[in-house]
Amino acid sequence: SQQGEEDPQALSIQEGENATMNCSYKTSINNLQWYRQNSGRGLVHLILIRSNEREKHSGRLRVTLDTSKKSSSLLITASRAADTASYFCATVPRAGGTSYGKLTFGQGTILTVHP
Amino acid sequence: DVKVTQSSRYLVKRTGEKVFLECVQDMDHENMFWYRQDPGLGLRLIYFSYDVKMKEKGDIPEGYSVSREKKERFSLILESASTNQTSMYLCASTLRPAGVSGELFFGEGSRLTVL
Repeated sequence: SQQGEEDPQALSIQEGENATMNCSYKTSINNLQWYRQNSGRGLVHLILIRSNEREKHSGRLRVTLDTSKKSSSLLITASRAADTASYFCATVPRAGGTSYGKLTFGQGTILTVHP
Repeated sequence: DVKVTQSSRYLVKRTGEKVFLECVQDMDHENMFWYRQDPGLGLRLIYFSYDVKMKEKGDIPEGYSVSREKKERFSLILESASTNQTSMYLCASTLRPAGVSGELFFGEGSRLTVL
C-alpha cells in the first residue's frame, strides 16, 4: 500500500497565487522527499526534508514536516504556468529491515496554474 | 548532470510476448529501481538493486524479473506480457540509499501497451 497520501488530488489556481499540497504518511520515516512530474515525463527531485527538520526552503518552495502528525506540506509561492505538473511526496522508512532505502510514493497532486 | 536513459519511450506488444525494458545510468550509481505508474495508484516499486547481480523484490514483483549484469544497466523483463501490464514504467537510480539523503534520478519513462 502507498505510504504517502497527497491532498488534494487536484488543485487549480491562477498565476501569482500560492499553491499548497499536503502529504500524510503512516509509519516512522527517515526522510520525506517531494518530486515533480510534467505530463508524460519522468519525475524530478525537488526537495528532501529529514525527520529531525521542521521546515526547509528552496527558491519558491517551502516544505514543512510535522512528525507528530505524520504529515508534510509543500508550498509553492507566486506560482507560474510552468509550475503546472503533478507533485508527489515520497517517504523513506526509518532504518532497519528490508524496506530501508526504498522510497514509497503517494498518488500525487495534479496542479494546474492558469495564466 | 546525472542521466538515466530508458531505451524505449513507447512500446506496443502482444499478449504472451517477452518484453525487455532497458535502463542505463551514467553516474556510477549503486542503486537502481524499476517502478510502474498507473492512474490513481501512483508509483509502485517492482524491483530494485543495490549492486551488480543483486536484486530485491519491491511491492509488486509478480510477472516481472530483472537483470543487473553491469553497474550502469538495469533491465526489467516481462516473461510473458499480459494486458494488465500496460503501464508507464519508470527507471531510477541513486548514489546513496534513499535513507541517506539519496534523491532518485528518473528516466523519461517507457509507456508499454500490451494488446
